[in-house]
Amino acid sequence: DSGVTQTPKHLITATGQRVTLRCSPRSGDLSVYWYQQSLDQGLQFLIQYYNGEERAKGNILERFSAQQFPDLHSELNLSSLELGDSALYFCASSVGGGTNEKLFFGSGTQLSVL
Amino acid sequence: GENVEQHPSTLSVQEGDSAVIKCTYSDSASNYFPWYKQELGKGPQLIIDIRSNVGEKKDQRIAVTLNKTAKHFSLHITETQPEDSAVYFCAASDFKYGGGFKTIFGAGTRLFVKA
Repeated sequence: DSGVTQTPKHLITATGQRVTLRCSPRSGDLSVYWYQQSLDQGLQFLIQYYNGEERAKGNILERFSAQQFPDLHSELNLSSLELGDSALYFCASSVGGGTNEKLFFGSGTQLSVL
Repeated sequence: GENVEQHPSTLSVQEGDSAVIKCTYSDSASNYFPWYKQELGKGPQLIIDIRSNVGEKKDQRIAVTLNKTAKHFSLHITETQPEDSAVYFCAASDFKYGGGFKTIFGAGTRLFVKA
């Protein structure tokens, strides 16, 4: 158990809908990262938050947004969903702040867009 | 843009043999190189990492080497066991003081260890 909690584990929805994925980092970790894993694209970095602020951005679509709350949990919002958004979404956390960059991954949320 | 190439995509070895996975990165600013193991239905788990000021690191049956000049790094698993079967990802990170940290992953290597 990595200590990173992601909910829900599975999500099935229709095209055009909006969903929210939730992540609770390990106790003490200030950084949260979101990754998308699909069969043909591997692990794609989406975005990083550190202590509530956005710190690094990857290939995140404009239809996607994220935030980190004062209690350090994070949410990834996916809107106007398309079939191609079906993937496994991972959250990871690290101590962050330039002290420890080891990532600890959650078990992921499997999103299926029908 | 930043890219990490990983080879091979699939590797099958006999139990007890060695397995080698190779990666190449493009961003010369990368200074941290972790390796992750992903088992079915689970998230990736860090197994070993190396920083840019080190050429080699070993942890029991696992070793990683880094050639910064050539931008190559490799994972070596000796005396493989069936439980080593998983998908392995290499990654390269540009680690900045202050919290900005982007990790780019390779496409993964599916390792099969045959008993």
